[in-house]
Amino acid sequence: GESVGLHLPTLSVQEGDNSIINCAYSNSASDYFIWYKQESGKGPQFIIDIRSNMDKRQGQRVTVLLNKTVKHLSLQIAATQPGDSAVYFCAENDGGFKTIFGAGTRLFVKA
Amino acid sequence: DTGVSQNPRHKITKRGQNVTFRCDPISEHNRLYWYRQTLGQGPEFLTYFQNEAQLEKSRLLSDRFSAERPKGSFSTLEIQRTEQGDSAMYLCARTGTGNTGELFFGEGSRLTVL
Repeated sequence: GESVGLHLPTLSVQEGDNSIINCAYSNSASDYFIWYKQESGKGPQFIIDIRSNMDKRQGQRVTVLLNKTVKHLSLQIAATQPGDSAVYFCAENDGGFKTIFGAGTRLFVKA
Repeated sequence: DTGVSQNPRHKITKRGQNVTFRCDPISEHNRLYWYRQTLGQGPEFLTYFQNEAQLEKSRLLSDRFSAERPKGSFSTLEIQRTEQGDSAMYLCARTGTGNTGELFFGEGSRLTVL
């Protein structure tokens, strides 16, 4: 919520283009990964998740890729729309009950 | 609607005062989490409950912080003797009814300590 992300990494894309947001995670024991979207004044909202036994998962206009070798996660958004403008967080879970969030990336969509 | 209601949405207080935030999830049959989010950062885990039991607390939760979930339904987060460094957004989240790890967040309670 609030005005998060003033010092966040920023990605600016043209409306209609594809967006790729990257995330590096540190815990090799993490086996569940989630992408959240946070719009101004709101709490984070679930977008898509992936378990460590998969390397790709697709949703509606979104795809998550997982590379466990280099501990890298990416979120691809197809045909980016102005409503996609937000801060995006990757999050990880090691099979317990605690979800740990990364620092986030702010996505700007230019009309 | 994420099924998580938080209040107050905004709280401005003077340093040294106590504040309490409340979280009402749609169902008591799930886990409930508290996170803190400061400007430019991702949410930081504070604590979580399974029913009324507080099962884990972050070291971020100093002895000035206390959280409760009486009867396993709503939860409160109290901060005593607030400090300027406590200024942040306090987010509450619930899990779903299935066995996924997805968290459903409320819109948060923003605290400003003057």
